[in-house]
Amino acid sequence: DTGVSQNPRHKITKRGQNVTFRCDPISEHNRLYWYRQTLGQGPEFLTYFQNEAQLEKSRLLSDRFSAERPKGSFSTLEIQRTEQGDSAMYLCASSLGGQGAYYGYTFGSGTRLTVV
Amino acid sequence: AQKITQTQPGMFVQEKEAVTLDCTYDTSDPSYGLFWYKQPSSGEMIFLIYQGSYDQQNATEGRYSLNFQKARKSANLVISASQLGDSAMYFCAMRAGAGNNRKLIWGLGTSLAVNP
Repeated sequence: DTGVSQNPRHKITKRGQNVTFRCDPISEHNRLYWYRQTLGQGPEFLTYFQNEAQLEKSRLLSDRFSAERPKGSFSTLEIQRTEQGDSAMYLCASSLGGQGAYYGYTFGSGTRLTVV
Repeated sequence: AQKITQTQPGMFVQEKEAVTLDCTYDTSDPSYGLFWYKQPSSGEMIFLIYQGSYDQQNATEGRYSLNFQKARKSANLVISASQLGDSAMYFCAMRAGAGNNRKLIWGLGTSLAVNP
């Protein structure tokens, strides 16, 4: 297992089209996070899964956004009717939840979305 | 409100010299964790160092050390013996609160340029 994998690395789409991104976490990690990062900003939390359950969604995640994690393995993030403001880097991270003070996060390389 | 502040948009350092990147945080939770990540132009978030709120000693990882001053709510990153490959964006992040969602709150980042 070589880490968190995100596909595609880059996506250019026309405004109004739907896009879907995929994240494959580290296999033993039960927690999965999606973040969005726009130019010149730090990442912003979008949503969080523990196993297959989506436990929290940010208010940033409008109804055009949906995320799934079937069977608690890989996750997909879909954006419907894309807008130019959706252009950003979408980062996925996974971690192993449990007792203890430190939860390490491993990030993927991100998917850079450009809406034209 | 939980917040991370990085006040240095850009920093320059001469190769082989040490540099300090500033980070202050705000939280009312007694249990929290502070992270530093490096983001090269390729986009991936690379974990550098972690400090828990109850840790008695400052964290160190190779050339990276964290100057943790709890009373001042600061967690500055010190990079010793800078290398050209250290040129990147550096983000300070905080994991706060109890419960299952251990999402990270991020600063705006500091762009570090290492000069030969």
